[in-house]
Amino acid sequence: EADIYQTPRYLVIGTGKKITLECSQTMGHDKMYWYQQDPGMELHLIHYSYGVNSTEKGDLSSESTVSRIRTEHFPLTLESARPSHTSQYLCASSAYYEQYFGPGTRLTVT
Amino acid sequence: DQQVKQNSPSLSVQEGRISILNCDYTNSMFDYFLWYKKYPAEGPTFLISISSIKDKNEDGRFTVFLNKSAKHLSLHIVPSQPGDSAVYFCAASAMQGGSEKLVFGKGTKLTVNP
Repeated sequence: EADIYQTPRYLVIGTGKKITLECSQTMGHDKMYWYQQDPGMELHLIHYSYGVNSTEKGDLSSESTVSRIRTEHFPLTLESARPSHTSQYLCASSAYYEQYFGPGTRLTVT
Repeated sequence: DQQVKQNSPSLSVQEGRISILNCDYTNSMFDYFLWYKKYPAEGPTFLISISSIKDKNEDGRFTVFLNKSAKHLSLHIVPSQPGDSAVYFCAASAMQGGSEKLVFGKGTKLTVNP
């Protein structure tokens, strides 16, 4: 059973605020990922990391940034939230091929 | 252009019957395929996977079939149960090409009626 955690689960915030979405995993996985998903749509990869101090942008352009200072922690930051950032954000980690997902953060920017 | 397509947005079946979810892909470099199940307000849960060197993989009630020549895979659930009602995502990766990134389809919402 995968152990990957995301906080907060739900967040409603005003335009212009800075936010950080937390993601932690206890499995020691080197690879971690952030996806964005809107209802009825596919998951889009926005950031990934193959290890400490390694981060790359994904296939979907995003104004968010990430950091990977510790293996278990992969936070995502939005410096200035906008209504267009309203979405579900999913964090995942993997050791081999299968990725294991956290419960997600539902972000609403008003 | 979508590389992984799930052309049926929804599927409804009776409890106890077979559910067949389909997925097509366009990138011939894809060599590893996965199915995920997602409930509302939760993250996707890994179900089953298949490598391109196989054409079938089975795990309990779930079987995945891969037809490489047609670039098509399907997930069979037998027998279907009401708890299987969820959105099912197909995903693909080009592992041998050095990419461990997954490309997802848009999902198929399965409803299993009691």
